[in-house]
Amino acid sequence: QVQLQESGPGLVKPSETLSLSCNVSGGSMESFYWHWLRQPPGKGLEWLGYIYSSGLTNYNPSLKSRLTLSVDTSGSHFSLSLKSLTAADTAYYYCARSIWASSPKNYLDYWGRGTLVTVSS
Amino acid sequence: SDVLTQIPSVSVAPGQTATITCGGKNIGTKSVHWYQQRPGQAPVLVVHDDSDRPSGIPDRFSGSNSGNSATLSISRVEVGDEADYYCHVWDVTSDPPDVFGTGTKVTVL
Repeated sequence: QVQLQESGPGLVKPSETLSLSCNVSGGSMESFYWHWLRQPPGKGLEWLGYIYSSGLTNYNPSLKSRLTLSVDTSGSHFSLSLKSLTAADTAYYYCARSIWASSPKNYLDYWGRGTLVTVSS
Repeated sequence: SDVLTQIPSVSVAPGQTATITCGGKNIGTKSVHWYQQRPGQAPVLVVHDDSDRPSGIPDRFSGSNSGNSATLSISRVEVGDEADYYCHVWDVTSDPPDVFGTGTKVTVL
C-alpha cells in the first residue's frame, strides 16, 4: 500500500521560505506525478503544482513566481519550497499522487494526511 | 480559479442514502472525481471518472454526472461514512485547470 507522509515546520515567519518534504513508501516514484495541494482552515482545496518523476514541473500560475518543486526518486521523496510567505499561506499542506496529469483523468489516488503550516511572527 | 459548488452539509440516518451534488457549468462534459476526508486523516479517492470505484471502495459508493451537476451517492450509510466529501475536475478552460468543490460534510445521525 502506497503511503505519503508530509514533514516540515509547523510555524514559519512572514517573508521567510517554507520547505516541506513528502516521503513516499510502499511503491516506486517512477512514472507517476507528485502533487502538492493546500487547504486554509475552513476553506477549500487549492492545487499548487506537480512534479513528474523525471523532474518535469507544472505550477499554479498564482504561485509560479514563489514555488519550486523538486524530486528525489532514489530517496523516495519530493519537496516543496515556497518563498516570501504571508499570512495568506497559512494552510494544511497535502502531498498526493496521480497516474496522469494535465488531463481529465488526473485523479489523485493517494494522499498524505497533511501538515498544518502557520505563517506568523 | 473556478470553483465547483457543493451543499455545505448533509445529514442522513444510518442505512439510508446520502446524496452529494457538485455543480458547475457543463460539468457533464468533464470527468469528475470524488474524495472522502475523515477528520485528521488523508483524503481517500472514492470515485473517479464520474462513476468508477478504486479497488477496495465498497459498491455503496456510486457516482453519476450529467448537465450542470455531478452526484455522489452513498447507499446503506454507515457511521464510518461520516466525513467531508470533495469533487474534483480538470477543466482546460480554467486556470489552473484542477478545480475542486467547496466540500460537503456528511453527518450520520
